[in-house]
Amino acid sequence: EAQVTQNPRYLITVTGKKLTVTCSQNMNHEYMSWYRQDPGLGLRQIYYSMNVEVTDKGDVPEGYKVSRKEKRNFPLILESPSPNQTSLYFCASGGASEGQYFGPGTRLTVT
Amino acid sequence: AQSVSQHNHHVILSEAASLELGCNYSYGGTVNLFWYVQYPGQHLQLLLKYFSGDPLVKGIKGFEAEFIKSKFSFNLRKPSVQWSDTAEYFCAVNRRGSNYQLIWGAGTKLIIKP
Repeated sequence: EAQVTQNPRYLITVTGKKLTVTCSQNMNHEYMSWYRQDPGLGLRQIYYSMNVEVTDKGDVPEGYKVSRKEKRNFPLILESPSPNQTSLYFCASGGASEGQYFGPGTRLTVT
Repeated sequence: AQSVSQHNHHVILSEAASLELGCNYSYGGTVNLFWYVQYPGQHLQLLLKYFSGDPLVKGIKGFEAEFIKSKFSFNLRKPSVQWSDTAEYFCAVNRRGSNYQLIWGAGTKLIIKP
C-alpha cells in the first residue's frame, strides 16, 4: 500500500528542546516536502527535497532544518523549538504536478 | 506574488443541498489545479486535478470542478452533499513546469447538517 508515515503523531515539548519528526514514503518518489498548517492560513511549505542530498527552502523555513540522506526518508528537525512553531505538520511525497500524497500529520505543541 | 483565494472560510449546508466552493488564483501562466480534502482528524487527500483538456473535471465521491481560464477560477461543485462530506477543502495551484511548489488556498470548512 502506497503511504507516507510520520512519527510522532502528537508531541508536546518545551522551548529550546531539540526534536525531530520523521517522515518516510514507500513510493520511490524523488520529491518530498514539509508543510505546516495553521488555522486560516492553509498550508505553508517549510522545506522540500528534489532528491537525495538536494533540499531547498519553502515559504517558511526559519527555525527548521531538514536532511535527505535516503530517498525514502525526509526528517524535519527543530533545533530550538519556540511556541510560534506550535502547529500541525504534514510531510508529503510526490511531485506537485501529479498530486501529492500526504502523511497523517504531527501535532506539535511547544510550551 | 502568486496567491490562491478561497472566498468562503466556512460553509454550512443541509444534506442534499448543492455545493459550490470558489477558488481563484493570481498566476497568469499555465497552471495545474487541484482540490484536496481533509476529513476530520485525517490527512489531506487528492479530490481531483486539472492539467489540460476538458475544463470540467470529475473527481472522487461525486465532486467535480470547472476551470474557467478567463476568470482564473477553479470552483468545486457537488450536486447533492451528504453528511460525510463534512471536511475542510483546499484549492492548490502549481505552475506548469514547476514541479516543486504548490500554492495553497486557506481552506474552506464545510459542515453538512444531517
